[in-house]
Amino acid sequence: GAVVSQHPSWVICKSGTSVKIECRSLDFQATTMFWYRQFPKQSLMLMATSNEGSKATYEQGVEKDKFLINHASLTLSTLTVTSAHPEDSSFYICSARAGVGEQYFGPGTRLTVT
Amino acid sequence: GQQLNQSPQSMFIQEGEDVSMNCTSSSIFNTWLWYKQEPGEGPVLLIALYKAGELTSNGRLTAQFGITRKDSFLNISASIPSDVGIYFCAGQHNSGYALNFGKGTSLLVTP
Repeated sequence: GAVVSQHPSWVICKSGTSVKIECRSLDFQATTMFWYRQFPKQSLMLMATSNEGSKATYEQGVEKDKFLINHASLTLSTLTVTSAHPEDSSFYICSARAGVGEQYFGPGTRLTVT
Repeated sequence: GQQLNQSPQSMFIQEGEDVSMNCTSSSIFNTWLWYKQEPGEGPVLLIALYKAGELTSNGRLTAQFGITRKDSFLNISASIPSDVGIYFCAGQHNSGYALNFGKGTSLLVTP
């Protein structure tokens, strides 16, 4: 149980385009989902916290207009990187939590912006 | 969020050796967690600790929640090649809050 999936697993896009990444909880309802970004050989850095049906809370320094988060259902959250630039290239990982339980991480999405 | 101090940064050991890594924080956490991450994948939870002083095992892995609530350690006994990966500690102030991660310990095990 407690499986979280992400789609796509990797994506290459051109600078200036937008990319949508999906995070799904497959066998539980996730009241809260978290989005992290991880640069090579670095730790995970929290970008934003999203609760189903409400606006996401962004960490300091993360542009909410650039990283659009939608948590429209209890099993799906999406992260859209708008007008992507090469410096947005990173490994994006989501995690999902049911109630006040543990967080379960997705397998990550590798974004490369050319 | 706050980043935790995790050490060592990397370890290169022989199969069969024991491994120890630790994490410290300037603030108190109510939960400490240890994750393993392999290349190109998300972190996988190894051990969760919920009470100061708690010592918990998961197979060859043992972790403890420091009494001050500002530190935790993870031990791996009799390491094997599949233990290779990056190990992250994470602290959580309260249930439901986001995790604060350490910088990771990269473990390499030679046969």
